[in-house]
Amino acid sequence: GAGVSQSPSNKVTEKGKDVELRCDPISGHTALYWYRQSLGQGLEFLIYFQGNSAPDKSGLPSDRFSAERTGGSVSTLTIQRTQQEDSAVYLCASSLYAVQTGSQRGYGYTFGSGTRLTVV
Amino acid sequence: DAKTTQPNSMESNEEEPVHLPCNHSTISGTDYIHWYRQLPSQGPEYVIHGLTSNVNNRMASLAIAEDRKSSTLILHRATLRDAAVYYCILRDVGGMNRDDKIIFGKGTRLHILP
Repeated sequence: GAGVSQSPSNKVTEKGKDVELRCDPISGHTALYWYRQSLGQGLEFLIYFQGNSAPDKSGLPSDRFSAERTGGSVSTLTIQRTQQEDSAVYLCASSLYAVQTGSQRGYGYTFGSGTRLTVV
Repeated sequence: DAKTTQPNSMESNEEEPVHLPCNHSTISGTDYIHWYRQLPSQGPEYVIHGLTSNVNNRMASLAIAEDRKSSTLILHRATLRDAAVYYCILRDVGGMNRDDKIIFGKGTRLHILP
C-alpha cells in the first residue's frame, strides 16, 4: 500500500480482555517497529522485526505483551489481560534497509496513524 | 536511553526561520542523523536525514557539525502548521544485521507564535 496501515484506529476494551492490534507495513519494507505513546509522553520502543525475526524484545513491558510477523509483512501486537495502564496510542513504523537496494543514504521510517487503545 | 539530547521546548514567530538543535556526542561513523516531527493527534512523519554534508529538501534543511556531534534542523519560514514535537534520532545506515533498536527521546516541542 501507499502507507503504513494500522487497525483498528480506536479500540475500547474492558480490563482483563485480550486485544490484537494489526500493522500492515509498506510493501517490501523488511523492517517493522512497534512503539507506544501514552498521553502527553514520548515514544516508548516496544519491539522491532527484521523480516519475521525480532532481534530485541526487551522493550515489551511485560509477558502480557507479544508480537509476531508472518510472511515478512503484516504484524500483530497482542496484549493479554489488558490493564488500565496499557491505555495508549500504539504506533507502527516500517522501513527499507540500505542493503536491500544498495542505497548508501539509508532510509527513514514511515509511521502509521496508530491505534488508540482505551482500557476501561 | 536515547542517543540524542534536545531542548524540551522552543518558541518562534510565524514566518521567521527556526533552528532546532540536537546533540549526539556518541555518534558512530555509520550513524545517519534523522529528524521526524509529530503533529498533534498524528503519528510521527519523516522530515530529513543526513550523514555528513548539509541536506536540503522541500520541508527543511539539516546542518551537520563538522565533528558530527551535533546537528540543527532549519525551518526556513515557520508557519502555524509547523507547530509540533520534533525528534532527532540516530540510525545506522546498515540497519539489517545490526542493532536497529531506535530509542526516541522526548523531542523538542515547537510553539509558533502568530
